[in-house]
Amino acid sequence: DAGVTQSPTHLIKTRGQQVTLRCSPKSGHDTVSWYQQALGQGPQFIFQYYEEEERQRGNFPDRFSGHQFPNYSSELNVNALLLGDSALYLCASSPTLERRNYGYTFGSGTRLTVV
Amino acid sequence: GQSLEQPSEVTAVEGAIVQINCTYQTSGFYGLSWYQQHDGGAPTFLSYNALDGLEETGRFSSFLSRSDSYGYLLLQELQMKDSASYFCAVRDSGTYKYIFGTGTRLKVLA
Repeated sequence: DAGVTQSPTHLIKTRGQQVTLRCSPKSGHDTVSWYQQALGQGPQFIFQYYEEEERQRGNFPDRFSGHQFPNYSSELNVNALLLGDSALYLCASSPTLERRNYGYTFGSGTRLTVV
Repeated sequence: GQSLEQPSEVTAVEGAIVQINCTYQTSGFYGLSWYQQHDGGAPTFLSYNALDGLEETGRFSSFLSRSDSYGYLLLQELQMKDSASYFCAVRDSGTYKYIFGTGTRLKVLA
């Protein structure tokens, strides 16, 4: 059973460009959350998708947008890239209904470098 | 808002026991979670405490005291592979987002 799959694993972009990151959740999971993790820091919540809608959003500008598809996979888009957007972007999936908290299942992330 | 504090780094030797503390400030509380992350890897869920007390999972145990807004992760019989960063996390009150601490880097020495 595959866990959370993210692509690409690494990406280098130039300031001002746009980027799309992709995530396939773990089988049986229908909720996808995106996190940004700067070096040496904890993950910061960007947003969460459920039933193809953005259900919750963190303190990130509108340059960060996303989408969830009917098969529960998700994309994270970042426009007008800034140097400060360089980070590890993590996708986490979870089931909506669970009797016990088993936490998120995270992907290995996409390392984005903006130059 | 909510915040979580952890020590930045802890060092211990193989076979030892180490405790990683987490204190939190929240307006509501849904439980405390712990994650492990190796360099370059994905965070991995370790444990969750919704109620006060100790939860044990093999060599790892997690403790919660809601009255003290405090929890800890206890790692026993340390192995070299336990060298990683450990994060505590709480769910933000009334939302679906989880807030993570800044993490504790554990170094296990031979």
